[in-house]
Amino acid sequence: DTAVSQTPKYLVTQMGNDKSIKCEQNLGHDTMYWYKQDSKKFLKIMFSYNNKELIINETVPNRFSPKSPDKAHLNLHINSLELGDSAVYFCASSQNQGETQYFGPGTRLLVL
Amino acid sequence: AQSVTQPDIHITVSEGASLELRCNYSYGATPYLFWYVQSPGQGLQLLLKYFSGDTLVQGIKGFEAEFKRSQSSFNLRKPSVHWSDAAEYFCAVPFGNEKLTFGTGTRLTIIP
Repeated sequence: DTAVSQTPKYLVTQMGNDKSIKCEQNLGHDTMYWYKQDSKKFLKIMFSYNNKELIINETVPNRFSPKSPDKAHLNLHINSLELGDSAVYFCASSQNQGETQYFGPGTRLLVL
Repeated sequence: AQSVTQPDIHITVSEGASLELRCNYSYGATPYLFWYVQSPGQGLQLLLKYFSGDTLVQGIKGFEAEFKRSQSSFNLRKPSVHWSDAAEYFCAVPFGNEKLTFGTGTRLTIIP
């Protein structure tokens, strides 16, 4: 059973397009996160939701909009994609804020 | 500034040799500490964590880490590495508000 899953695994798209990445966790956790890993492998948090409420919103362009329809899902929608958005995006979840985070396999986004 | 430092960008070790990966964190971190491993093209897997109690923590795959408050360090060790340990290793520490901050990672190469 996959604990934290993401779709798609790979996403290749043109500049200016709008795309979404989906994340689901079956661990019964209350908190979910989105991270961006750049080409140098640097990992930085983008957003965090606790019980469907936004609790962390880092300095991220407003082209990025997270949506949490329920506790088990946290999707990431990106408008007007730019070359610099190319990265690996990881979803994670934890039982509560501050507890151990479990990561999904990542979505590799390439913007051409 | 809140930071997590992994001073070694790349380490090469012979198979069977011992390993130590360094991690230091700046003032302001909560005393929760994590090590994650990322194999090529994969997501992040939790190796071990320290929340409280014994400062020597055992993890999966034969790894251990020692928390030294006086040195603000949480170094990862393994007595004898295997070729399958080749991966990227990340130290992570939360700063206030449970925002998990990652180090820049250490890439481990194993030579026969």
